[in-house]
Amino acid sequence: EVMLTQSPGTLSLSPGERATLSCRASQSVSSSYLAWYQQKPGQAPRLLIYGASSRATGIPDRISGSGSGADFTLTISSLEPEDFAVYYCQEYGNSRTFGQGTKVEIK
Amino acid sequence: EVQLLESGGGLAQPGGSLRLSCTASRFTFSTYVLSWVRQAPGKGLEWVSAIAGRSDSTYYADSVKGRFTISRDNSKNTLYLQMDSLRPEDTAVYYCVKGSSGARPYYFDFWGQGTLVTVSS
Repeated sequence: EVMLTQSPGTLSLSPGERATLSCRASQSVSSSYLAWYQQKPGQAPRLLIYGASSRATGIPDRISGSGSGADFTLTISSLEPEDFAVYYCQEYGNSRTFGQGTKVEIK
Repeated sequence: EVQLLESGGGLAQPGGSLRLSCTASRFTFSTYVLSWVRQAPGKGLEWVSAIAGRSDSTYYADSVKGRFTISRDNSKNTLYLQMDSLRPEDTAVYYCVKGSSGARPYYFDFWGQGTLVTVSS
């Protein structure tokens, strides 16, 4: 089973700043089957990115995904107030495993 | 847009049972894999179970295998999760989730709002 480690656990940033979130897999993720989800307090998760870099419908282009093999990154180029949330990565080609999450909080 | 509405959550005693339901609309229900994903209070996401479109294949996390049963009724656009031998560690919000395709690999493209299951005496 693929294990995913997200870092940092918490990211404290100000609106307008750039956010860089990391997701590292315990083994290579086949065909970049890596997704990212956003969850706000009291809400269900929402799909942001699939295939490591493809944006889901309605996701703004300030949010982007990159990476391959075992190292993946979610980048938010300029944080908007609605971007402060918890972000999870998920491997979906093999085990459906989620990472433990990164919280992006207002500094 | 796709809609997924869970029901059936509540309080159960350890060793007891609950049956969750998820009614879906606005997509061709029988075509897609459906899953249950749970989230314990203050914790992260845990995939629980999945079922193929024609119910011919089911999958379970080790933590629930032998205790939970996933099923679907394509004529009613409804997904179920029968939870038996419940444990306190099963306490969580349970989300009904639509897969992006009818077979692996699939990501989770739509989520319901969740239903809370509490296991306590």
